[in-house]
Amino acid sequence: DVKVTQSSRYLVKRTGEKVFLECVQDMDHENMFWYRQDPGLGLRLIYFSYDVKMKEKGDIPEGYSVSREKKERFSLILESASTNQTSMYLCASRPGTGAQETQYFGPGTRLLVL
Amino acid sequence: GQNIDQPTEMTATEGAIVQINCTYQTSGFNGLFWYQQHAGEAPTFLSYNVLDGLEEKGRFSSFLSRSKGYSYLLLKELQMKDSASYLCAVRDDASGGSYIPTFGRGTSLIVHP
Repeated sequence: DVKVTQSSRYLVKRTGEKVFLECVQDMDHENMFWYRQDPGLGLRLIYFSYDVKMKEKGDIPEGYSVSREKKERFSLILESASTNQTSMYLCASRPGTGAQETQYFGPGTRLLVL
Repeated sequence: GQNIDQPTEMTATEGAIVQINCTYQTSGFNGLFWYQQHAGEAPTFLSYNVLDGLEEKGRFSSFLSRSKGYSYLLLKELQMKDSASYLCAVRDDASGGSYIPTFGRGTSLIVHP
């Protein structure tokens, strides 16, 4: 079974703090993704990565950055957390871009910024 | 870009059948996914459609009509554990070969006894 793990299930941070969200997958997948999920807005793509050291902006990259130094690990960084970044953050991985390849999601990190 | 629409919430009775619709507008359609997400958990893959027609998988079936930009997820013999959000996600080829699906806002299904 594919396993995608995220470093924390719940996180509370203060405005202005630098926040690191870590994601690890154990199936040698090429692609990794970071989404945020908010009520009424659904899943929105923040950043994705094709391969090690590769990153591409998604639909809402402002206020975020990412790092992929190793294939299995994809980190989301909030440089200076703000209250509007309070959300559920979901990491996903995918083998490649083949037609039927689904994404496998981690359990999510619920972040509260005070 | 894509415009994906699905109902916000639906309710149904245990043992019944429910159909969750998803309509989309996109150029270069390249497949549609359905995911199930229980509260506080990760979305999990249910089905994938790229050709017109019905795909059946146990109690769950998914239908696609590309000409109408329409899909539905059919859940039969509903069980209480089917209470969850159901996410429709559409891939197109407008994303430069990355084929990243865009998600709808999800349909929250409540199954009651």
